[in-house]
Amino acid sequence: QSVLTQPPSVSGAPGQRVTISCSGSTSNLGAGYDVHWYRQFPGAAPKVLIYRNRNRPSGVPDRFSGSKSGTSASLAITGLEAADEADYYCQSYDDSLRAWVFGGGTKLTVL
Amino acid sequence: QITLRESGPTLVKPTETLTLTCSFSGFSLTSYGVAVGWIRQPPGKALEWLALIHWDDDKRYSPSLKSRLTITSDTSKNQVVLTLTNADPVDTATYYCSHGVGFGELDGWFDPWGRGTLVTVSS
Repeated sequence: QSVLTQPPSVSGAPGQRVTISCSGSTSNLGAGYDVHWYRQFPGAAPKVLIYRNRNRPSGVPDRFSGSKSGTSASLAITGLEAADEADYYCQSYDDSLRAWVFGGGTKLTVL
Repeated sequence: QITLRESGPTLVKPTETLTLTCSFSGFSLTSYGVAVGWIRQPPGKALEWLALIHWDDDKRYSPSLKSRLTITSDTSKNQVVLTLTNADPVDTATYYCSHGVGFGELDGWFDPWGRGTLVTVSS
């Protein structure tokens, strides 16, 4: 069981909007620590998609957005494309564990 | 351009010590806020943070693996080495090293990552 909880899977049709949630606790997201999001294609290394809750690295389209409130965070993807099919992970820091933690990952399927 | 590359054995026997090297370029591990982290991913499973070394040589370990892990750096060679003692089949995973950003505070992130190296623990 991951410290950060994500739905195992989400799906949507091309052009639609999907959100991926990341639920934490008062020792990580609720303690004010930032959340970061990664995308991982099969057989490839993860790449950062969103850092510090809502910031996009250069090259990441504005179809991807992040938000955080209290003990939860979410990643939203609009204008869904087949190329968005991948696994998505959230990551933060946990005070109680004194460790960097990842969510369990969410597999996005484009129908 | 920042690049990282993991190297080490692809097969390790149970109880042996696994030693992985991360060779990097494009940044200095002595710069404030910079870190190098190791993260692993068992086949078909989620990412798991293992260890991290900060620019000031501060070292942190996953609580569940702390007794078995050691992370060191050689800044003259631009390398970070991770050792995992008493290997077990459950340690079979792809091991990634990554450039840590924003680690002047606790909640930094990892960007970019190396391509990863698959290590199998089996007799």
